[in-house]
Amino acid sequence: DAGVIQSPRHEVTEMGQEVTLRCKPISGHNSLFWYRQTMMRGLELLIYFNNNVPIDDSGMPEDRFSAKMPNASFSTLKIQPSEPRDSAVYFCASRITGAKAFFGQGTRLTVV
Amino acid sequence: AQSVTQLDSHVSVSEGTPVLLRCNYSSSYSPSLFWYVQHPNKGLQLLLKYTSAATLVKGINGFEAEFKKSETSFHLTKPSAHMSDAAEYFCVVSEGVGTYKYIFGTGTRLKVLA
Repeated sequence: DAGVIQSPRHEVTEMGQEVTLRCKPISGHNSLFWYRQTMMRGLELLIYFNNNVPIDDSGMPEDRFSAKMPNASFSTLKIQPSEPRDSAVYFCASRITGAKAFFGQGTRLTVV
Repeated sequence: AQSVTQLDSHVSVSEGTPVLLRCNYSSSYSPSLFWYVQHPNKGLQLLLKYTSAATLVKGINGFEAEFKKSETSFHLTKPSAHMSDAAEYFCVVSEGVGTYKYIFGTGTRLKVLA
């Protein structure tokens, strides 16, 4: 199994641009999570999907952030417009409900 | 409400000496507890987990952790540090087995000296 696959691994963009981060969960997993990691706040849960439905998006910082899961094998996290304070590592994780979570290698986003 | 506190932001040990990374938690319910490791430029990898079975949990790479309810602790230990153990370690609490929310500690950066 290839594990959770995130793309791109690194993204550098200018302030104001739209950024889309992608995640392919492990096949058969029904839960998907997006986390953000920063030095200041550590790891924060942004949004949680179960069976492709967003269950909890209370961690999404503001309206500039949106996430979708059109099917069981793909999810996107979009930031529009991006700001320098969005610079962070964004992790996607997936699991079967109740089991351990597997994390992707993360996308390092730099907004200049 | 759940919370997790990692008591040390940085720990340095010499190669071959024991490792102790401390974690305290609070939870209203029976928690599930995890330790994840993050090597530079890599994703998070599960080291071990506790889910109300044996209180002493053995993980990968020689790590283990003991769940102590009376002390609300879940410290991570290893008898002998290896250079490859240098990484950041996260203690994570989740309420029960079926819930989805993982609460991460702020992390402990382990440095192993030659």
